[in-house]
Amino acid sequence: DIVMTQSPDSLAVSLGERVTINCKSSQSVFFSSNSKNYLAWYQQKPGQPPKLLIYWASTRESGVPDRFSGSGSGTDFTLTISSLQAEDVAVYYCQQYYSNPPALTFGGGTKVELK
Amino acid sequence: EVQLVESGGGLVQPGGSLRLSCTASGFTFSNYAMSWVRQAPGKGQEWVSLIKGSGDSTYYADSVKGRFTISRDNSKNMLYLQMDSLRAEDTAVYYCAKGNLANLARVPFDYWGQGTLVTVSS
Repeated sequence: DIVMTQSPDSLAVSLGERVTINCKSSQSVFFSSNSKNYLAWYQQKPGQPPKLLIYWASTRESGVPDRFSGSGSGTDFTLTISSLQAEDVAVYYCQQYYSNPPALTFGGGTKVELK
Repeated sequence: EVQLVESGGGLVQPGGSLRLSCTASGFTFSNYAMSWVRQAPGKGQEWVSLIKGSGDSTYYADSVKGRFTISRDNSKNMLYLQMDSLRAEDTAVYYCAKGNLANLARVPFDYWGQGTLVTVSS
């Protein structure tokens, strides 16, 4: 199975500050046939299911604010929140969906708190 | 509006069985792969199983292979997870989740249910 490793485990930032979360896969999740990275990012708030933010590593899901962006390719990926808002306090997960046959795996999560 | 509603969770003894259901609405159910994803208390997400839209292909995490069975009834817009030989480590909130692109299996999940809690304990 592809192992997803996120860093840091947690971080505390002030409102308006930039947040960067990293995700590394144990093997490449780039599919050359369609030039896509099979990597998604989710946000989970307490007591709620995860919410899809980004897929194909950098495509923002409909309705997601543009302060959220994804980047990276191959094995190294980043989720950036350009200016943290209070409602962004949550745990963020990366997920690969590259494995064939399907064996989707998540990173361990990064908890974002207010400083 | 897409809705996914899980049911069937509860307390079960180790070695016991439980069947989870997920009622789907608001989209053409048969066009989308569906998955079960679980989250143990205080832990992260773990994908459990996936079934293609037609129901003809199923996939499992190694941790549940041979014990859990995923199925669907496209005529009723229902997804199921039959869980046998349950263990304490299967204790978690179980979510059903919808693939975000039609007719593809290797996709992320754009809609999730609220989850149903399964507790395996004597």
